[in-house]
Amino acid sequence: DAGVTQSPTHLIKTRGQQVTLRCSPKSGHDTVSWYQQALGQGPQFIFQYYEEEERQRGNFPDRFSGHQFPNYSSELNVNALLLGDSALYLCASSPPGTDTQYFGPGTRLTVL
Amino acid sequence: DQQVKQNSPSLSVQEGRISILNCDYTNSMFDYFLWYKKYPAEGPTFLISISSIKDKNEDGRFTVFLNKSAKHLSLHIVPSQPGDSAVYFCAASPPTGGSYIPTFGRGTSLIVHP
Repeated sequence: DAGVTQSPTHLIKTRGQQVTLRCSPKSGHDTVSWYQQALGQGPQFIFQYYEEEERQRGNFPDRFSGHQFPNYSSELNVNALLLGDSALYLCASSPPGTDTQYFGPGTRLTVL
Repeated sequence: DQQVKQNSPSLSVQEGRISILNCDYTNSMFDYFLWYKKYPAEGPTFLISISSIKDKNEDGRFTVFLNKSAKHLSLHIVPSQPGDSAVYFCAASPPTGGSYIPTFGRGTSLIVHP
């Protein structure tokens, strides 16, 4: 059984560009959350998707948006990239009825 | 302002001894606390949790203690093993009415020497 997978593994973009990161949850999981982990920091909650709707959102600007598809996979989009968006982006999925989150390995985004 | 603080960036312990990782929080609304372990190039892995109605939770070699009055929790690993070497994140969540949303600390890097 594959765990949470994320693509791509690494990504380099320049300021002002847009980026899309992808996440496939563990089989049977219906809730997907996204986190940003800057260097030397803990993961910071961006938003959570359930039943294709954004259920909760952290303190991130509207440049950060997402989507969840009928198969529960999810995308994180970031527009107008800033140098400060450079970070590891983590996706986590949860099965129905539980709160335990299973994290993927992350996508390392570098903005130059 | 950090709501979850792990003031020790690193900890070095001899194999077989006890590892104690500490965490402090400031938000009195937090009622669910978790510890995650992270190896390089992997995502965090859930380790153990505790609800605010308890003051201790044990799972094998791992025990979490919660002191609500001091807003402090700690993770004890006994005995420590070299495979425990990783970054440990403390996280806390308020009641959300649904799936919890944890606030993470900055992590403590544990090194267990053979």
